[in-house]
Parts: sequence; structure tokens; C-alpha cells
Amino acid sequence: AQSVTQLDSQVPVFEEAPVELRCNYSSSVSVYLFWYVQYPNQGLQLLLKYLSGSTLVESINGFEAEFNKSQTSFHLRKPSVHISDTAEYFCAVSRSQGNLIFGKGTKLSVKP
Amino acid sequence: EAGVVQSPRYKIIEKKQPVAFWCNPISGHNTLYWYRQNLGQGPELLIRYENEEAVDDSQLPKDRFSAERLKGVDSTLKIQPAELGDSAVYLCASSLTFGEAYEQYFGPGTRLTVT
Repeated sequence: AQSVTQLDSQVPVFEEAPVELRCNYSSSVSVYLFWYVQYPNQGLQLLLKYLSGSTLVESINGFEAEFNKSQTSFHLRKPSVHISDTAEYFCAVSRSQGNLIFGKGTKLSVKP
Repeated sequence: EAGVVQSPRYKIIEKKQPVAFWCNPISGHNTLYWYRQNLGQGPELLIRYENEEAVDDSQLPKDRFSAERLKGVDSTLKIQPAELGDSAVYLCASSLTFGEAYEQYFGPGTRLTVT
């Protein structure tokens, strides 16, 4: 069975500081990995995903995540955060033609 | 293009009462999902539709939960009777079709409180 562990439930950080949101997964088969973001009072939105190819994937708003098979991780990073990045971030995993399995989420709070 | 629409946004009911949630997916999306998100948890799939067919309802508590997607467009999720433990956010999502390459688009959810 697959599972996703997000090690931090809350991450407070100051504006313009770097941030890393950690995600580890467990699966006995090849997986696909996703990060979703949920802004206050909005639905979840896909931020980025890894399906195949380059292990480093980027989003349009400066986030990136690297698929590390040996460490079974897919950590999300941003070198300089903005107030507008305050949101809850969910890591998710699926196998081929499988359903998404979500982690518990990490609340990122960016302070001025 | 309109996103996934859900109503109501909030619902407060007493236990043992029935409740229904409605979802209108993005036009042209064949796959529709209902998720439940408990406080402090990630979303968990309840049921997935391909057009009007429920192809995965293994996580739906069938003794009190039911769902339908008539004509393969809108969908309704019902709970009867509601229990205290059903308090959660119920999310609807849709995608063009099913598979890891197809993005799921989520609605804002319905926050249910059972008292």
C-alpha cells in the first residue's frame, strides 16, 4: 500500500527567506508524485508534478521539487517566499492508473 | 472557463438528519471525484465516476452514504442519517479523464458540521 508522510504540519518563515516542505512516500511500485496548494477558502490547485524524465520539476511561481528515488522523497522548495505563498501544501502520490493518496498537509505561514 | 462548483459552501445539521451536497464539474470532464477531508488530514477519496458510472466506490460507507451522477454531468452526495463523525469538508473534483497525466480540478468544498 502507498502512503505519504509530510513531516511538518506547520512551517513559519519570514518573507524572502528560503523554505523546504518535506514529503516522503512509501510504495512498492513505481509512483507519480504531486504537490497541491490550497489557498484560504479555495479549492486545491495542482502546483507541480513528477511523472517521468527530469527528477527536478518546477512551477510557474518559483517552487521546485526533486524526485529522489533512493530516499523516497519529493521535497518542495522555494529560494525566496512571498506573503502570497501563505497556504496549505499537500503532497500526493499515485501509481499508474491509481487514485491519489494525499499527505496530511503542511501549513506555510509567511510573515513580513 | 468556470471551475468546479459546489453547493452549499457550509452546512450545519443535527445528528440523524439527512444532508446532500451538489457538484457541477468543469464542462467536458468525464471523471468526477468526491473526497472527504477531515480536520488536519489530507483529502481521502470516497467515490470516482467515469461519466455516469461509479467505477470506484470502495471507500464509500454504503450504509449511510450514497451518490449519483445522472447524465454524467452534475453529481450529488448524500448522507442519511448523519453522525457526529461525518463532520468534515467534502470536496468535489473533476478531470478530463482518469490517469496520472490528467490534472484534477477541485471545487472549494462543502464544510459540514454535525451537532
